[in-house]
Amino acid sequence: DAGITQSPRHKVTETGTPVTLRCHQTENHRYMYWYRQDPGHGLRLIHYSYGVKDTDKGEVSDGYSVSRSKTEDFLLTLESATSSQTSVYFCAIGQGEQDQPQHFGDGTRLSIL
Amino acid sequence: SQQGEEDPQALSIQEGENATMNCSYKTSINNLQWYRQNSGRGLVHLILIRSNEREKHSGRLRVTLDTSKKSSSLLITASRAADTASYFCATEFNDYKLSFGAGTTVTVRA
Repeated sequence: DAGITQSPRHKVTETGTPVTLRCHQTENHRYMYWYRQDPGHGLRLIHYSYGVKDTDKGEVSDGYSVSRSKTEDFLLTLESATSSQTSVYFCAIGQGEQDQPQHFGDGTRLSIL
Repeated sequence: SQQGEEDPQALSIQEGENATMNCSYKTSINNLQWYRQNSGRGLVHLILIRSNEREKHSGRLRVTLDTSKKSSSLLITASRAADTASYFCATEFNDYKLSFGAGTTVTVRA
């Protein structure tokens, strides 16, 4: 398995609280991605990073921010969590080269009450 | 918006039978990828087919790509209980980003 660790694996929190999810990789891949997975929607891209301090928005970025201060770490922050952000969040990494797959972590299950 | 759509949404087959699932997409792509997800786990890459390829094999997997119809199919031959999972197609069309379909849930009965 690719060296990707997501933490925490499970979290329950209340509406309005800030939440930070962490993704750590040991593969030295240039690209890192955050997705959310909801029933009937597959995976949807929230934000991605193409290098240290280089990030961009994905399809569903509203309400989320990200930071990447080191190659190996990519943080996803919900500034003020809402119930609509209850989901399973996946981190993925990629080499940033043509025709290469992404590799996924095992996800964080986030419940916002 | 999502690029790919899988069909069927769910599939139940007997062990030893073949499983076929389809993916349709909307715009030109660089490649199309298939991933498997076991319950409670992350996605695992299965196979990638480039836009200039028509068919690709990997073990018991066979993938076809028809760019004129903007569609792909994944065939799993001689299915096993361990093939029970959700399968997703993903299209890469620019900037090393993937767009996923909603997936096909496959159940293999012993």
